[in-house]
Amino acid sequence: AQSVTQLGSHVSVSEGALVLLRCNYSSSVPPYLFWYVQYPNQGLQLLLKYTSAATLVKGINGFEAEFKKSETSFHLTKPSAHMSDAAEYFCAVSGRYSSASKIIFGSGTRLSIRP
Amino acid sequence: NAGVTQTPKFRVLKTGQSMTLLCAQDMNHEYMYWYRQDPGMGLRLIHYSVGEGTTAKGEVPDGYNVSRLKKQNFLLGLESAAPSQTSVYFCASYEENEGNEQFFGPGTRLTVL
Repeated sequence: AQSVTQLGSHVSVSEGALVLLRCNYSSSVPPYLFWYVQYPNQGLQLLLKYTSAATLVKGINGFEAEFKKSETSFHLTKPSAHMSDAAEYFCAVSGRYSSASKIIFGSGTRLSIRP
Repeated sequence: NAGVTQTPKFRVLKTGQSMTLLCAQDMNHEYMYWYRQDPGMGLRLIHYSVGEGTTAKGEVPDGYNVSRLKKQNFLLGLESAAPSQTSVYFCASYEENEGNEQFFGPGTRLTVL
């Protein structure tokens, strides 16, 4: 069984500050992990994904995430927040060899940026 | 290349009315999905399809029906709308290959009065 937990439904940071959005997963098989971003009134857009190559994954808009097997985590970071980063972020997990229906999404974290 | 499109973008229904949401993708993907998004609950899978002519139930299928008569289209139907079906509905498509991501449409905002 797979699951994903996003810690913090709402995170607020100042412009220029570090962004850290937390995601922990549970999977009985080696996972694939994804971060999606949803801007207001839009669909979900892929930020980055982990598919077992490098454990540090770089995505669009300066975001990156590190896969830590020992901590079952895949936290999303950005060194310096920009106002345009305000959005909702979803972590998702799927397992190797599992069907495409088994892509599980977290409940989302809303990121607000303070001027 | 439009990706995944959804029709309509917004709709208001009265309780008991019916409607169909259309999802279309031009990427020749085999898999298509319908999700609903509600505050604090993330995305919940309603139904999905693994190919033309096939459908399967997801996590929250009650009150919805789907059809996949053509590979590029996936229809979501509400036969008798209820206020609990007020939500934002997203369609997604996926090409089966390990590690691939889903591609999402822009969403349909449905309000049932």
